[in-house]
Amino acid sequence: EPEVTQTPSHQVTQMGQEVILRCVPISNHLYFYWYRQILGQKVEFLVSFYNNEISEKSEIFDDQFSVERPDGSNFTLKIRSTKLEDSAMYFCASSVATGGDTFGSGTRLTVV
Amino acid sequence: QKEVEQNSGPLSVPEGAIASLNCTYSDRGSQSFFWYRQYSGKSPELIMFIYSNGDKEDGRFTAQLNKASQYVSLLIRDSQPSDSATYLCAVKGGYQKVTFGTGTKLQVIP
Repeated sequence: EPEVTQTPSHQVTQMGQEVILRCVPISNHLYFYWYRQILGQKVEFLVSFYNNEISEKSEIFDDQFSVERPDGSNFTLKIRSTKLEDSAMYFCASSVATGGDTFGSGTRLTVV
Repeated sequence: QKEVEQNSGPLSVPEGAIASLNCTYSDRGSQSFFWYRQYSGKSPELIMFIYSNGDKEDGRFTAQLNKASQYVSLLIRDSQPSDSATYLCAVKGGYQKVTFGTGTKLQVIP
């Protein structure tokens, strides 16, 4: 069964550093997403991406964050100047035009 | 602020019983409604989606939508211990932004 692949599974970074989280969405999906889930809290939408541009973003997704689809398969989330409160599980997801999202297994980001 | 509300639970049901999970949402413009299952430490897994008022059945799962009451529910028939998880209600508006509820923890007692 097709799956969304995320790397790395766990990333530890020092406060103030930049991190790039990587995702390979399902190949025939058209919409790509990043979500985050702080431990014990709900899943929060960050951004959606369609046709090589951001289609929707939340208030969380400020200038610290950026997304890119550098080639035909990868989808990345860059977090600049990380803060302690950025520590969370980050999920990539993808979908076709209708139906729900298929989530990757996530990247646990720990900022120390 | 668009909200999706769920009772956090835990909801405990005996094995073989029907589990009923409920969700309300605040944005009347919402168009798509989803139920995800999330096991502890794992990513959300899509169970059902529904767009139109009424019921939608898939195996042991039935999703119910009432847009007038801004209410979505999920019924799980013949509940199994493996159904024990947190169930997330999610709502999507006209664009691709998704709002999740905090989830209801379901415990199925053998």
